[in-house]
Amino acid sequence: GAGVSQSPSNKVTEKGKDVELRCDPISGHTALYWYRQSLGQGLEFLIYFQGNSAPDKSGLPSDRFSAERTGGSVSTLTIQRTQQEDSAVYLCASSLQDFMNTEAFFGQGTRLTVV
Amino acid sequence: AQKITQTQPGMFVQEKEAVTLDCTYDTSDPSYGLFWYKQPSSGEMIFLIYQGSYDQQNATEGRYSLNFQKARKSANLVISASQLGDSAMYFCAMRVNSGNTPLVFGKGTRLSVIA
Repeated sequence: GAGVSQSPSNKVTEKGKDVELRCDPISGHTALYWYRQSLGQGLEFLIYFQGNSAPDKSGLPSDRFSAERTGGSVSTLTIQRTQQEDSAVYLCASSLQDFMNTEAFFGQGTRLTVV
Repeated sequence: AQKITQTQPGMFVQEKEAVTLDCTYDTSDPSYGLFWYKQPSSGEMIFLIYQGSYDQQNATEGRYSLNFQKARKSANLVISASQLGDSAMYFCAMRVNSGNTPLVFGKGTRLSVIA
């Protein structure tokens, strides 16, 4: 499809396990964002990739969280040793960052539940 | 660092009436863009409208308009002729133009349209 694709759509994991969340951005989009949204809350910025620049990791809540973007396209968000407070919807978005006025397009999100 | 503030956690509006959702922002960068997104209960993020800091006129998109008051650093969303389908969370967001900076969101306002 032409939109941002995230997988899996739902993930249930046991506390202490590692999880990987995947994001396929829109082809040609140089900017990629990860956000976390807890139930009924706003979007918490996690990490931002722009082209070949070093990613902005300032939003990652702890060193258990990491992300990479391979070949300027697909991105994986990894959460190690998951905790119950990691339960949330993880949203990925991409945009043409070359132009400030272009909106970010969002995927449907991955709902993570840590039990 | 830029910051977005949405002070209304929840709003109610009668069907067919207009409603204003507040958004104030803080940045020292003279060049920036402001965005509004809608998130229905399905969870998808839908882009509504954009305003650039140098735009001379307030942005409009159908029933959506943006009341941009640069001196007050406010970018309120106005929805005219509210419909039941407008019930959703609404997020204000900002991106500054200097360097590689992420899109930052406010905490959102939940709008409920009453028949």
